[in-house]
Amino acid sequence: EDQVTQSPEALRLQEGESSSLNCSYTVSGLRGLFWYRQDPGKGPEFLFTLYSAGEEKEKERLKATLTKKESFLHITAPKPEDSATYLCAVQEGAGSYQLTFGKGTKLSVIP
Amino acid sequence: AAGVIQSPRHLIKEKRETATLKCYPIPRHDTVYWYQQGPGQDPQFLISFYEKMQSDKGSIPDRFSAQQFSDYHSELNMSSLELGDSALYFCASSFGTGGSEAFFGQGTRLTVV
Repeated sequence: EDQVTQSPEALRLQEGESSSLNCSYTVSGLRGLFWYRQDPGKGPEFLFTLYSAGEEKEKERLKATLTKKESFLHITAPKPEDSATYLCAVQEGAGSYQLTFGKGTKLSVIP
Repeated sequence: AAGVIQSPRHLIKEKRETATLKCYPIPRHDTVYWYQQGPGQDPQFLISFYEKMQSDKGSIPDRFSAQQFSDYHSELNMSSLELGDSALYFCASSFGTGGSEAFFGQGTRLTVV
């Protein structure tokens, strides 16, 4: 069973059409939930870390929220340059260093 | 701002050869992570080091080994290379123990032929 599930797998939006990406997780003792953006052939670019349910963080057109079972990445009025794969990752338990990634949501923003 | 530096960016090796990938973390970061990402796949955790000691281990094959040196840079050594080892290899670094933001390098694309 996957510990981190992202949906949808792919999303096409018109420029300016707001939407949300979902990341659900089943780990116990969540240490942190991370959002990254990845362009093809490039390293993941850090966006946000969330640590506790109810926490929210914003950066430009992006807003990340966290509940006890899932996280949402809200994209407001997206632009074509927001097109990328968005990865969610969790870090579980005390003493754990590894990030377990979901399979990502590939976002395409059409002009 | 300084980022994580990986070298080389591209590497082509033949089967059964050996490869060494290098990672230079962000200054003052003391934790280094290695991930492998196959085509169309999500990154898979291999191994991490904190203050030059192995801190966590994931799905790293026995043919691979890694270490973190006194200047905090890290090297991933891969022996007896197989075709299936072809992938992007990412290094990430962070400050302190797990739970802090990890910043990724641009990766090394390894092709085994």
